Amino acid sequence: AQTVTQSQPEMSVQEAETVTLSCTYDTSESDYYLFWYKQPPSRQMILVIRQEAYKQQNATENRFSVNFQKAAKSFSLKISDSQLGDAAMYFCAYNRGSTLGRLYFGRGTQLTVWP
Amino acid sequence: KAGVTQTPRYLIKTRGQQVTLSCSPISGHRSVSWYQQTPGQGLQFLFEYFSETQRNKGNFPGRFSGRQFSNSRSEMNVSTLELGDSALYLCASSLAGGDSNQPQHFGDGTRLSIL
Repeated sequence: AQTVTQSQPEMSVQEAETVTLSCTYDTSESDYYLFWYKQPPSRQMILVIRQEAYKQQNATENRFSVNFQKAAKSFSLKISDSQLGDAAMYFCAYNRGSTLGRLYFGRGTQLTVWP
Repeated sequence: KAGVTQTPRYLIKTRGQQVTLSCSPISGHRSVSWYQQTPGQGLQFLFEYFSETQRNKGNFPGRFSGRQFSNSRSEMNVSTLELGDSALYLCASSLAGGDSNQPQHFGDGTRLSIL
């Protein structure tokens, strides 16, 4: 069974500082994809960053980057220069190549950004 | 380009009733997935439709059903509502099913409350 674990229910960071959110996953698949989504109070789930399992290079999107450790099945999100607008619930998600329309989500990490 | 549109945003029903939720995907997207989000269970996959056919299904009872129309719009129906069906229902669309180059884009959700 596919499972995604986020061990930090809550995290906080000072504005302009860096924070790392943790995620581990369990799968026996070789073809899969990993995602980080953010969900602000407005409820809409917004894609932050994605990583293909076959790529060794870590994905980067502006201030957001991941540390993908395939052997350890770890996929952490680093947010640099944190901004007040980064405050949200962050979900780690996985889908496998054979069922691309189905995402498996972790329980989420609530990120608070302090001014 | 308009995003994923879900209607209604809020809905209040009583036990035993049935409800239909609607999702209009991004123009050109053919895959629509539905998720249930609750504080207790987190985000759980309901089903995915692609080209009017159910392609993937989660572990929900038969009271939960869906369909997709030729214009890719999708509806989700829940019959004989139970208190435990109170949740945020999220719809996501993608071009073909959410692979790394075609991630899922989410709507704002429908908040369903059962009295």
